[in-house]
Amino acid sequence: ETGVTQTPRHLVMGMTNKKSLKCEQHLGHNAMYWYKQSAKKPLELMFVYSLEERVENNSVPSRFSPECPNSSHLFLHLHTLQPEDSALYLCASSQSVPGQGNIQYFGAGTRLSVL
Amino acid sequence: AQSVAQPEDQVNVAEGNPLTVKCTYSVSGNPYLFWYVQYPNRGLQFLLKYITGDNLVKGSYGFEAEFNKSQTSFHLKKPSALVSDSALYFCAVREDSSAGNNRKLIWGLGTSLAVNP
Repeated sequence: ETGVTQTPRHLVMGMTNKKSLKCEQHLGHNAMYWYKQSAKKPLELMFVYSLEERVENNSVPSRFSPECPNSSHLFLHLHTLQPEDSALYLCASSQSVPGQGNIQYFGAGTRLSVL
Repeated sequence: AQSVAQPEDQVNVAEGNPLTVKCTYSVSGNPYLFWYVQYPNRGLQFLLKYITGDNLVKGSYGFEAEFNKSQTSFHLKKPSALVSDSALYFCAVREDSSAGNNRKLIWGLGTSLAVNP
């Protein structure tokens, strides 16, 4: 295992539901990421948190709301999603080491289906 | 603008034969290059990286990659493929002069490797 745990692994929700994705890392890293993976598209970086502060938000719709209460936990709150939001959502973490490339460690992902 | 290209959607190889998965990149400064692998129903796993130094980089599971600056390529290779190597392979690049400690990776679309018994 990679040391990054995501729950749930699968989620089916209606467009009016509210749900949350959870990510926990046991690696002592100081940065966490949310990605969206869709077929035939490059991996899309959604949010980056460094030292619990959001440092990147790549024009993600407001129906996705991240939360990072501490360096080990990351949430993605979902509300009023659209069918095109169906995808695999991946969480990753890394430790910033200058000159070393910041290897990212990924969780297994949450497969989200919006009906 | 930074970019990564993986020109092959799929690569098929017989077990025991050498394999190559291609990656070319474009950055304005010195590149940091990565290969990741994704097995079915799993997240991405780091395989290897090039930061500086020897152009031939060795990584996990017997994989290696060669950095070629003149051709702006970073092809992934393995001398003898296994059926268990069948997976989705992603190349990624980051420019070393980018600001910030957690710099954005630019990802390729992925190449599906199928190793046939």
